[in-house]
Amino acid sequence: GQQLNQSPQSMFIQEGEDVSMNCTSSSIFNTWLWYKQDPGEGPVLLIALYKAGELTSNGRLTAQFGITRKDSFLNISASIPSDVGIYFCAGSKNAKTSYDKVIFGPGTSLSVIP
Amino acid sequence: DTAVSQTPKYLVTQMGNDKSIKCEQNLGHDTMYWYKQDSKKFLKIMFSYNNKELIINETVPNRFSPKSPDKAHLNLHINSLELGDSAVYFCASSQVNAQGQVSFGSGTRLTVV
Repeated sequence: GQQLNQSPQSMFIQEGEDVSMNCTSSSIFNTWLWYKQDPGEGPVLLIALYKAGELTSNGRLTAQFGITRKDSFLNISASIPSDVGIYFCAGSKNAKTSYDKVIFGPGTSLSVIP
Repeated sequence: DTAVSQTPKYLVTQMGNDKSIKCEQNLGHDTMYWYKQDSKKFLKIMFSYNNKELIINETVPNRFSPKSPDKAHLNLHINSLELGDSAVYFCASSQVNAQGQVSFGSGTRLTVV
């Protein structure tokens, strides 16, 4: 079945450092999304990408839709303690309907040391 | 106001029992989902309903039966609970053309003992 891989699996960084994580797939997706899950909560959408090569920012977060449509990257600049959580990439094959399954990656766990 | 709310937040029960988790969304979305998150944090879709109609049914044991009385509610009933059912269950919803943008509830942590 469809699978997404995320790296790194976990990260421990100092407050103020920049963070990079990526997501890859063996198949093409038409939509890439990044979600963040805080402890004890459900995932929350951070950024959605719909076009190959697209680069989108949301505050200190920047994500890119890979040109091959098989990968995506998320960068966080100047990390702060509240960035702690699990970051999930997600992909969808069909951009026009939510009937299509959204496949989630295994997540990258981020810890920020004050 | 909570957009997607599910109850209970925690559920501890014995093997063999039957339990239900309720979910309601006030976002006006047409599509609702149940996801299961295991101990390794993998998120996997279980069911998807659109306007009370089952759209996606992954390989889930038939002990799990979703019920959608209206498009704002999607409840999950689980019969004959097993130890392996222990997980966090998330209800979620989206617009029909949301293109992957899903709103999640805060989860129900089910522990089967």
